[in-house]
Amino acid sequence: QQQVKQSPQSLIVQKGGISIINCAYENTAFDYFPWYQQFPGKGPALLIAIRPDVSEKKEGRFTISFNKSAKQFSLHIMDSQPGDSATYFCAASRYNFNKFYFGSGTKLNVKP
Amino acid sequence: EAGVAQSPRYKIIEKRQSVAFWCNPISGHATLYWYQQILGQGPKLLIQFQNNGVVDDSQLPKDRFSAERLKGVDSTLKIQPAKLEDSAVYLCASSSRADRADYGYTFGSGTRLTVV
Repeated sequence: QQQVKQSPQSLIVQKGGISIINCAYENTAFDYFPWYQQFPGKGPALLIAIRPDVSEKKEGRFTISFNKSAKQFSLHIMDSQPGDSATYFCAASRYNFNKFYFGSGTKLNVKP
Repeated sequence: EAGVAQSPRYKIIEKRQSVAFWCNPISGHATLYWYQQILGQGPKLLIQFQNNGVVDDSQLPKDRFSAERLKGVDSTLKIQPAKLEDSAVYLCASSSRADRADYGYTFGSGTRLTVV
């Protein structure tokens, strides 16, 4: 069964705008939630991650918002740039097991 | 440090043929993963190794897929016989820790398999 559900499937944003990608999970044992970024022809690379003891984590223009009661988390990309155009995957894992379940991905296109 | 190396980058085979993919993880990484990424979907774990032992192969279609990690370094994933639905990118990843999610993975660039 799909452990992590991600939306939207694709997203078009103007340069300078805010990109928002959402994920939901079912397994309450999950307690580590990373986001991966993938460019064409490359493997996914870790972007940012959060644990459920905080509701928000920010690294530069990238912010994860986490809602434990709703079992949802989201990635916000502020001041989106054409170089951010890529596919973004949310994932979930138990912290003590380095084994990730990935969402279906969101293809982001930032228009100049 | 050198990244995760995978070969070949691309492979086209006919259905019912066999194919093998190779992965060389980052030096010293004891944990190795094979993921299948079908077009438009997220990566799906096929198998996880810790050194040369299998930790999890619950999602590996064992009637046609096999994997090994002899000597706990390089790994090979094989499909025999291939089906059309096996068309995907096969990603190899490695990590220095299997018991800490914050150590994350380093992925290779993958092998794109097309079965015709």
